[in-house]
Order: sequence, then C-alpha cells, then structure tokens
Amino acid sequence: QVQLVESGGGLVKPGGSLRLSCAASGFTFSDYYMSWIRQAPGKGLEWVSYISSSGSTIYYADSVKGRFTISRDNAKNSLYLQMNSLRAEDTAVYYCARVILYCTNGVCSPGYGMDVWGQGTTVTVSS
Amino acid sequence: SYELTQPPSVSVSPGQTARITCSGDALPKQYAYWYQQKPGQAPVLVIYKDSERPSGIPERFSGSSSGTTVTLTISGVQAEDEADYYCQSADSSGTPLFGGGTKLTVL
Repeated sequence: QVQLVESGGGLVKPGGSLRLSCAASGFTFSDYYMSWIRQAPGKGLEWVSYISSSGSTIYYADSVKGRFTISRDNAKNSLYLQMNSLRAEDTAVYYCARVILYCTNGVCSPGYGMDVWGQGTTVTVSS
Repeated sequence: SYELTQPPSVSVSPGQTARITCSGDALPKQYAYWYQQKPGQAPVLVIYKDSERPSGIPERFSGSSSGTTVTLTISGVQAEDEADYYCQSADSSGTPLFGGGTKLTVL
C-alpha cells in the first residue's frame, strides 16, 4: 500500500542541525512532487517546503528559507529535509506528504494539495 | 500577506449538517483542499479541487466554492467526524498555505 515513513526527529539544541528522512513505498516516487509540512504543539499546519519530481524546482516558506534544504533521491525512494540553525520556534511534528497529481489523457501535472501523509516525526529544539 | 480564514470552532448535534467555511482572496483562482485531523494522527485529505472526494472518503463529506469562500459540508454528522479541519490553497505565487483550522465538536 501507499506509505510514507518519516524518521530522524529528536531533541536538538538551538543553533544545531538535524536531517529528516522520509521513505516512500507503494507508488512510483519519481513521478510525484513531495512536500514537508510541520505542526507546532497545539497549533495548526504550516507548509515548509516542496520539491518537484526531478528535484529541479524547490520552494520554501519564508520562515525556513536559508536554513532548511529539501532534497530527494529517486533511486532510494526517499525525501530529505536538512535543518540547520534550528530555533525554538522550529519545534514541531514534521510530516512528509505526497503532492496530488492530476492526470488527463496521459498528461500529468501537480496540484497544491497533499493526498498521502506520513505519520510524522517530532523535532524539539531546546537547551 | 495572504491568509485563509476559518472559524475556530463549529458545533453540531449528531445527524445534523456541519458547514465549515474558508475565506481567501485567491480562492477564485486556486483550488481548495480540505483535511481532517484527529488527535495524535496525521491529516487526511477529504476534499480536493474544491469539491472532489478521494476514494474511501464517505459521501457525507462535500465541498463547494463561491467567490472568495469555500465550504466543507458534512451531512449527517457522526461522532467519528469530531476532529480539526484545515483548508489549504495557494497564493498568487503558487506558495501553498493552510487556514488556521476549525475544531468540529459533535455535541
């Protein structure tokens, strides 16, 4: 079945770094854009970043631009988020998600929604 | 900056109809998506492209759009529908964003 499994979360001190991974299975990973979304404790969802299917197009939220780097390895069916210069406000559950793909007559294009989500990995930034 | 505005809470009795709205200036130009999130769980897509329902989502969930407002309607609400609901779309530059979320309480 279609599945996303995140890993790599943990406790890190302010200014530290962490690398999150997301392992995909059950679908052709290389066909899909992928996203990272986070949720601070007791708060709503915040989009963080997305990457195109080839990795050539990348966008970041202003709150993480210059500190976080999204990447993917299609040969390993894996998505990554390198997080540097971490701050207390980065404390959250981080979800990886598959971006919805619209296909008509064999031609496919990504939407902005996310149709498959992982279970999340928790990142805590604290001294 | 662009925002999507949702009511913080909606309450309904079982069997009644719940309507959750989401307002944003770019909604006439961009599709809206709705997610259901239960405590301790990941979000689940319940509506895409304003009004389409993914496979496996009950028919009581529906979506509609009118001008700058989109609405998630849950007909015949059941106790299991109690959850947080988030709308999502994109701004004019294509940056995805979420509404603040609405807590649906089934009385």
